[in-house]
Parts: sequence; structure tokens; C-alpha cells
Amino acid sequence: GNSVTQMEGPVTLSEEAFLTINCTYTATGYPSLFWYVQYPGEGLQLLLKATKADDKGSNKGFEATYRKETTSFHLEKGSVQVSDSAVYFCALNSGGSNYKLTFGKGTLLTVNP
Amino acid sequence: DAGVIQSPRHEVTEMGQEVTLRCKPISGHDYLFWYRQTMMRGLELLIYFNNNVPIDDSGMPEDRFSAKMPNASFSTLKIQPSEPRDSAVYFCVVGSGRAQQFFGPGTRLTVL
Repeated sequence: GNSVTQMEGPVTLSEEAFLTINCTYTATGYPSLFWYVQYPGEGLQLLLKATKADDKGSNKGFEATYRKETTSFHLEKGSVQVSDSAVYFCALNSGGSNYKLTFGKGTLLTVNP
Repeated sequence: DAGVIQSPRHEVTEMGQEVTLRCKPISGHDYLFWYRQTMMRGLELLIYFNNNVPIDDSGMPEDRFSAKMPNASFSTLKIQPSEPRDSAVYFCVVGSGRAQQFFGPGTRLTVL
């Protein structure tokens, strides 16, 4: 079956530091890959996505590249801000007639001033 | 935000009581999902509908849980009877195929 493994948090960084949150996956076929972000007391919001190998998703300074050879989709940002503090979820959708999202367990990021 | 309204936002009830969670997706999407989020188990898909028809309910934990979608603008998730282990945040999510899925704000359920 499908599965997503994220690095365990929490991750604590100082403002302007470089961020990497690792994500690897197991899936049949050719999944689409996503990063979602959850701010306190809210639902998840799509941060970025990639639908095929070698695609790079990007948004708000965050980037992730779909690596089929390593089955990875690591999230990066060159300079984090306090407002980036949130929980980040890696997810996949294996497509076909199955539109279920499989999520990782989430990584809590705290950015200090 | 695709405009998903969930009610109530918070629910506190006692064990054994019936709980009904409601979802009103404002925008037109042909898929609707119910997820549950807890610290221990993370995000779990409970059930999803396509064009108001239940497609996969294999994530529904047991017979105490039921979900309906009588029309494209309304869905309910019912727990009867409720138990403390049902305490979680329940999200209603809408989407169209493999495109982005939009989460509602969630209902935080506490069963005492």
C-alpha cells in the first residue's frame, strides 16, 4: 500500500536559517506529491505540489522536487521567517480512480526571532 | 480556501451520546472526504464520496460511525454512541479528482 515517511520533529530554527524537511514515499504507479501546511487551529492548506518525476513545486519561497529514483519529495526554504511556524505534512495521491490522500505524520516547525 | 463550512467548530459531549458533525461545501466539487486527526494516529481518511455517492468507507472505524451526503451541498458524519477515544479533530475536505483538496476548518470533538 501507499505510505509517506517524514522526518520527525519538532524542528526549531532561528529566523533566516535554511530549512529542510525530509519526505520519502512508497506508492504504486505514478503518484502526485504534495506538501500541506497547518497553522494552529486551522485546517490544512496546500503549500505546493508536483505531479510527475523531476517536477519542482514552489510557493512562498518553499520548494520541493519530485525525485522518483530516491522516492523523495524534500521540502526546502532558504530563509525561514517566524510566520512559517506551523506543522508541515507531506502527502501523496496515487491517482487512477483513487483520489485518497495518504499523509505523513507531520513535522512541527518553530522559528524563533 | 474553497469555502467549506463545518459545524459545530467545537463539540463537547458525554460518552454514549449521539454526535452529528456537519459540512457545507460552498463551491462545486465532485469529491468530498471526511478525515480525522489525532496526535497518536495523525490524519486518517474515514470515508469519501464522489457525486454524493459513498465510494470508500474502509476507514470508518466501526459501526458506530456513519456518513451521509444527501446532496452536493451537505454532508454529515454521525457517531452513535460516542466514546472518549473518538475525541479528535474532524475535517471535511472537498476536491475534484487529482487536483488540490481543500480542507474545512475542522470540528474539535471532545467526548468525556
